[in-house]
Amino acid sequence: DTAVSQTPKYLVTQMGNDKSIKCEQNLGHDTMYWYKQDSKKFLKIMFSYNNKELIINETVPNRFSPKSPDKAHLNLHINSLELGDSAVYFCASSQDTGSEKLLFGSGTQLSVL
Amino acid sequence: GENVEQHPSTLSVQEGDSAVIKCTYSDSASNYFPWYKQELGKGPQLIIDIRSNVGEKKDQRIAVTLNKTAKHFSLHITETQPEDSAVYFCAAGRGYGKLTFGQGTILTVHP
Repeated sequence: DTAVSQTPKYLVTQMGNDKSIKCEQNLGHDTMYWYKQDSKKFLKIMFSYNNKELIINETVPNRFSPKSPDKAHLNLHINSLELGDSAVYFCASSQDTGSEKLLFGSGTQLSVL
Repeated sequence: GENVEQHPSTLSVQEGDSAVIKCTYSDSASNYFPWYKQELGKGPQLIIDIRSNVGEKKDQRIAVTLNKTAKHFSLHITETQPEDSAVYFCAAGRGYGKLTFGQGTILTVHP
């Protein structure tokens, strides 16, 4: 199946822990993104990478560090998790930065206790 | 930066009725306006989009209109069906892949 796949789907962890969310796309797209959806369903961009290079870095705490080992993968590592980090995190991809047709993954629901 | 306002936040219609969701944007440089549908437990899915050089676009039961002068755009769904029930998001972008989303509209279609 051609898609954007992210793992895990659910992540429950304690405050202060470090966790990672993985994302992979097999569409041959050049650009990948991380979006955060809060409890009120508001969607906000966090990062975007084009061909492994950081393009967009919104005002996200530096506890969040994206890593792109190749253009098909964009992982999100979060250090020292806080209660306010609880949200659904969506990975997305687009053909390139000029194409804004985003294809989203199914999301990772992060719960910080 | 761009600010996108979306209304209403909830919309309840009877099957077969039409549904209209409206958005306004602040950045006159925005030139791309997509609409996404998000079903429970899933990621947003692009359903229709429009660019600023076009005033209206239609795809079967859904249509989007854009008034660039007034900086607002709308989603129209005709002959609604229960499977149209979802959260709908408008967004605005001006290139380089950054979209600013509206707050979402929970659409419920009653059989």
